[in-house]
Amino acid sequence: TQLLEQSPQFLSIQEGENLTVYCNSSSVFSSLQWYRQEPGEGPVLLVTVVTGGEVKKLKRLTFQFGDARKDSSLHITAAQPGDTGLYLCRGNYGQNFVFGPGTRLSVLP
Amino acid sequence: GAVVSQHPSWVICKSGTSVKIECRSLDFQATTMFWYRQFPKQSLMLMATSNEGSKATYEQGVEKDKFLINHASLTLSTLTVTSAHPEDSSFYICSARDLGGLGPNEQFFGPGTRLTVL
Repeated sequence: TQLLEQSPQFLSIQEGENLTVYCNSSSVFSSLQWYRQEPGEGPVLLVTVVTGGEVKKLKRLTFQFGDARKDSSLHITAAQPGDTGLYLCRGNYGQNFVFGPGTRLSVLP
Repeated sequence: GAVVSQHPSWVICKSGTSVKIECRSLDFQATTMFWYRQFPKQSLMLMATSNEGSKATYEQGVEKDKFLINHASLTLSTLTVTSAHPEDSSFYICSARDLGGLGPNEQFFGPGTRLTVL
């Protein structure tokens, strides 16, 4: 069974700060997704990374897929209260997938 | 992007009753839909994979007779919680895989259904 770890588990920062969230595994994934979920809502897809070493940017969010496709990071620049939520990574292998436990981010105004 | 809806968004029922939750893909066809359960402040727990026109595949530890899944069309899957009890209270979320989408294995999630069993 593939496992994904996320760190930190919780993160509380002030508006304007930068942060990085990590998603790690000992397994290789064919692709990986990042989602953000707000309380009482379903997760929203942020990005899919496929190629080892790939970097994708989405406004203030930068996503990187590790060279070996075993890990990924999400970096947020100048965090805003609207970034608050649960960030989930999901690793895919074949038709199967596994979710990480999530990082709960709170950005204080 | 692809839109998935769920109905109802919340439901309160008495213990022993059955509750049906609908999951619809609004602008794409979904051969495969997934049902998740989420406890407060935790990640998603996959319950079952729903395949159009065939039986659902349940994850280990999920009772098939308790959580009935029907995927009758390419845009609709239903989850019925039978003889619900307070321990079934949870946030249930569905997702759908867009086979016509650009990304690999991308799933689009519904907004979730909050079930409270009294």
